[in-house]
Amino acid sequence: SQQGEEDPQALSIQEGENATMNCSYKTSINNLQWYRQNSGRGLVHLILIRSNEREKHSGRLRVTLDTSKKSSSLLITASRAADTASYFCATVQPSNDYKLSFGAGTTVTVRA
Amino acid sequence: DAGVIQSPRHEVTEMGQEVTLRCKPISGHNSLFWYRQTMMRGLELLIYFNNNVPIDDSGMPEDRFSAKMPNASFSTLKIQPSEPRDSAVYFCASSSWDFYEQYFGPGTRLTVT
Repeated sequence: SQQGEEDPQALSIQEGENATMNCSYKTSINNLQWYRQNSGRGLVHLILIRSNEREKHSGRLRVTLDTSKKSSSLLITASRAADTASYFCATVQPSNDYKLSFGAGTTVTVRA
Repeated sequence: DAGVIQSPRHEVTEMGQEVTLRCKPISGHNSLFWYRQTMMRGLELLIYFNNNVPIDDSGMPEDRFSAKMPNASFSTLKIQPSEPRDSAVYFCASSSWDFYEQYFGPGTRLTVT
């Protein structure tokens, strides 16, 4: 079963706009990771945020984590056509530090 | 580095046939993972190897599935006999000791008719 649930399931935005997607999870975590999957390709790691961190940045990506609400958000600023992909959150529980539990993903379409 | 290599990229087979998927992890990585991705169930971890030893195979659906890692640079996932419900994209991923991130291969799209 999936640990994380992404919201929304799909998102369509204009190039240059920001895209925000959310992830909720059920149990305590060690860290939470975000991955991107382009159509027909494997997943690519974007960013990892540990349970004792609240915010993290990487280039145009900003990730927040609220462990009290068991939720995380991924913000992509100034979106580009190349950002069109599916985005997945994956949680790692303290008891199994190797195991990624993926959500169903958010499909983002960036219109030129 | 070439990244994680998987073969074949596409496999079409008939029900009842044996299917073997192959994976070459990134050199130096000591952890290897097999995942299955379907629309209905999303991404599921099938099996995890550490230093060539299977550590967690709780995700392997049934006895028809088996996985081996004879050395640090090669792993196989075998389905025998295959069934239509096995149709999915199978990913191999590898990581180093700290599990900071997993590196995914391009996947094998399996269709069982």
